[in-house]
Amino acid sequence: DSGVTQTPKHLITATGQRVTLRCSPRSGDLSVYWYQQSLDQGLQFLIHYYNGEERAKGNILERFSAQQFPDLHSELNLSSLELGDSALYFCASSVSFTATARNTIYFGEGSWLTVV
Amino acid sequence: AQSVTQLGSHVSVSEGALVLLRCNYSSSVPPYLFWYVQYPNQGLQLLLKYTTGATLVKGINGFEAEFKKSETSFHLTKPSAHMSDAAEYFCAVSPYSSASKIIFGSGTRLSIRP
Repeated sequence: DSGVTQTPKHLITATGQRVTLRCSPRSGDLSVYWYQQSLDQGLQFLIHYYNGEERAKGNILERFSAQQFPDLHSELNLSSLELGDSALYFCASSVSFTATARNTIYFGEGSWLTVV
Repeated sequence: AQSVTQLGSHVSVSEGALVLLRCNYSSSVPPYLFWYVQYPNQGLQLLLKYTTGATLVKGINGFEAEFKKSETSFHLTKPSAHMSDAAEYFCAVSPYSSASKIIFGSGTRLSIRP
């Protein structure tokens, strides 16, 4: 158990709908990262928040947005869903935002999203 | 720009045999290098990482990797495979300055034959 909690674990929704994925980081971690894992794209970095502020954006679509709340939990909002959005969405957390020797990134078990 | 290439999307070895998973990277700055493992229906778990110092890095579950700058490689090895090692393995690289810019390879699925 990494200590990173993601809900829901599985989600099936229709095209055009909107869903919210939730992530609780490890206790004490200030950074939250979101990744998308799909068969054709592999593991792609989406976005990174540190202590409530956006630090970096990766290959995140405009239909997707995220935020990190004062209690440090994070939500990833996916809207106008398309079939191609079906994927495993990972949240990860770490203490800091630099890739130092101590700043290990811990992954949650992911949220499986199926768009039908 | 950084990139990671994992040679072989699927590797199969016999139980007790040597495991060798290959990873090559390209980076314009000194990189940090990682190996993660993903068991079925689970998230990614850090096996080991290279930041600075000793180039031979020991990780969990008997795995180790050696950073070879001249070959731009970071291959993962384990002397004797166990059935429980069957999983997907990801090599990753990031610039030392930013954990959020970590780039993952496409993964190698390791199968263990009895």
